[in-house]
Amino acid sequence: ETGVTQSPTHLIKTRGQQVTLRCSSQSGHNTVSWYQQALGQGPQFIFQYYREEENGRGNFPPRFSGLQFPNYSSELNVNALELDDSALYLCASSRDRLSSPLHFGNGTRLTVT
Amino acid sequence: AQKITQTQPGMFVQEKEAVTLDCTYDTSDQSYGLFWYKQPSSGEMIFLIYQGSYDEQNATEGRYSLNFQKARKSANLVISASQLGDSAMYFCAMREVYNQGGKLIFGQGTELSVKP
Repeated sequence: ETGVTQSPTHLIKTRGQQVTLRCSSQSGHNTVSWYQQALGQGPQFIFQYYREEENGRGNFPPRFSGLQFPNYSSELNVNALELDDSALYLCASSRDRLSSPLHFGNGTRLTVT
Repeated sequence: AQKITQTQPGMFVQEKEAVTLDCTYDTSDQSYGLFWYKQPSSGEMIFLIYQGSYDEQNATEGRYSLNFQKARKSANLVISASQLGDSAMYFCAMREVYNQGGKLIFGQGTELSVKP
């Protein structure tokens, strides 16, 4: 069983630029979600996708957007990067059941200068 | 509003001893799930244990057990026989029944250090 994989592992961008982060879900999982984790904090929910549609969103502005593809891989796009966007971005996949744990990737460390 | 509170920013434990990490939660729903995750310095979030709100027995997974007290809205993680590899950040998280997908609400975490 293949786990959740994310790319790239590290990224450095300049304020105002755009970035795309990628995620490949664990096989058999139909839900993918993205989290932002600032240093020393718990992960914050950005949004989730189920069968290629966004069906839940946290308190993040519209410049954070995403896609889920038919093979359940996913992208997180962030436009007009700000310094506060510097964080670890975690992708997670799961089944759509209350008891189903999220399985996380290793994350992408984004630094905005 | 849903909320998870972890009041111990850092904890120390001697190798081979047991340790309890505290977690309290707030929700108005009757049906919900509680999770614990471990995050080593490498950054990966590792699932440890799950407890459903209607589960009558406390969950156990190897050296991990969850002390679930529903009336007090607490879900403490107990790690028995601590090992050096247990040193990491530990996060308590909650999912509500109407949100059976990917949304978990996380606490601030507890950093556990195991001393040899």
